[in-house]
Amino acid sequence: SSELTQDPSVSVALGQTVRITCQGDSLRSFYANWYQQKPGQAPVLVIFGKNNRPSGIPDRFSGSISGLTASLTITGAQAEDEADYYCNSRDSGANHLIFGRGTKLTVL
Amino acid sequence: QLQLRESGPGLVKSSETLSLTCSVSGGAISSSTFYWDWIRQPPGKGLEWIASIHSSGTTDYNPSLKSRVTISMDTSKNQFSLKLTSVNAADTAVFYCARQSPLGEVLLWGQGTLVTVSS
Repeated sequence: SSELTQDPSVSVALGQTVRITCQGDSLRSFYANWYQQKPGQAPVLVIFGKNNRPSGIPDRFSGSISGLTASLTITGAQAEDEADYYCNSRDSGANHLIFGRGTKLTVL
Repeated sequence: QLQLRESGPGLVKSSETLSLTCSVSGGAISSSTFYWDWIRQPPGKGLEWIASIHSSGTTDYNPSLKSRVTISMDTSKNQFSLKLTSVNAADTAVFYCARQSPLGEVLLWGQGTLVTVSS
């Protein structure tokens, strides 16, 4: 099955812009979805599809794709954005769901 | 508003079978085009998809767990369930039930339940 690769950690200064990336062959066929997870909580979907935000997700979160690399961009990062971020997609060639290993975002 | 809630033992002995149930409220699991998932997260680690069952009853399994996993649904109780056999310490995790859309996004999650495998 396919894999999705994420950087283990990323940091950003308060108020600045940060990009979290996710790379994988499955992104040739499927969009990446992005989840935010804070300690002790279930993941929360923040971006899905081409660049869609569920209700209640701030517009500072956006998604994009270039080739086989999807990106989650937070424009004007806030302290409350410090969390783990996971990407996922369907696995190409199989009706499976795959997740990246996650990126820990630190807001300085 | 659709809600999901996991239930089951928090402690399972090594080599035994882990059984969890997800109760769905606010909507019928049989009357939609969604997939109903089990996803787990070992302590301090990432998310791992375990299995899905479609509202039609079709099932899919993570190849790495397929030999030990069964997912099923009971439409009369509006529940779906997970069985994981021959558990070991590596199966200790928070288990989430969730609803997956056809394109793979998971919008709805249960609160998660920690299952610890003891020796």
